[in-house]
Amino acid sequence: DSGVTQTPKHLITATGQRVTLRCSPRSGDLSVYWYQQSLDQGLQFLIQYYNGEERAKGNILERFSAQQFPDLHSELNLSSLELGDSALYFCASSPNTGDTEAFFGQGTRLTVV
Amino acid sequence: GEDVEQSLFLSVREGDSSVINCTYTDSSSTYLYWYKQEPGAGLQLLTYIFSNMDMKQDQRLTVLLNKKDKHLSLRIADTQTGDSAIYFCAEKGNTGKLIFGQGTTLQVKP
Repeated sequence: DSGVTQTPKHLITATGQRVTLRCSPRSGDLSVYWYQQSLDQGLQFLIQYYNGEERAKGNILERFSAQQFPDLHSELNLSSLELGDSALYFCASSPNTGDTEAFFGQGTRLTVV
Repeated sequence: GEDVEQSLFLSVREGDSSVINCTYTDSSSTYLYWYKQEPGAGLQLLTYIFSNMDMKQDQRLTVLLNKKDKHLSLRIADTQTGDSAIYFCAEKGNTGKLIFGQGTTLQVKP
């Protein structure tokens, strides 16, 4: 158990809908990273938050957004969902930004039908 | 730019050694990582190596780094069926984000 909790584990929704994925980082970790794992794109970095502020942005679509709350949990919002958004979404956390290790949650599997 | 490449598939017999290779492009990477993903599971950090090291050994795992060629390898000695999984190589970019390869599926035959 990495200490990073993601909910829900599985999500099935229809095209055009909006969903929110939640991540609770390890206790004390200030950095949260979101990754998308899909069959065609592999594992891609989406976005990073550090202590409530956006720190880095990767290949994140405009239809997607994220935030980190004062209690350090993070949410990834996916809107106007398309079939191609079906993927495994991982959250990872680390104490700061320059850490050696990041710890991954078990992921949320999103299926868009 | 940042790019990481891996071969997609490796099949070995139980008891043999497995060697999974990876190349990367970012010469400023400070750390390089190997993650393991079992079916239906998350990413488990196996080991990592600092960029000024050539080799790191951890029980059955040996990581070799050739910084000049930007080549990283993971050797698993005495490979077991429980080692069957997808192995991801990753480099640490600026701000701490990880850039992953496509993953190598390791199949271990009994």
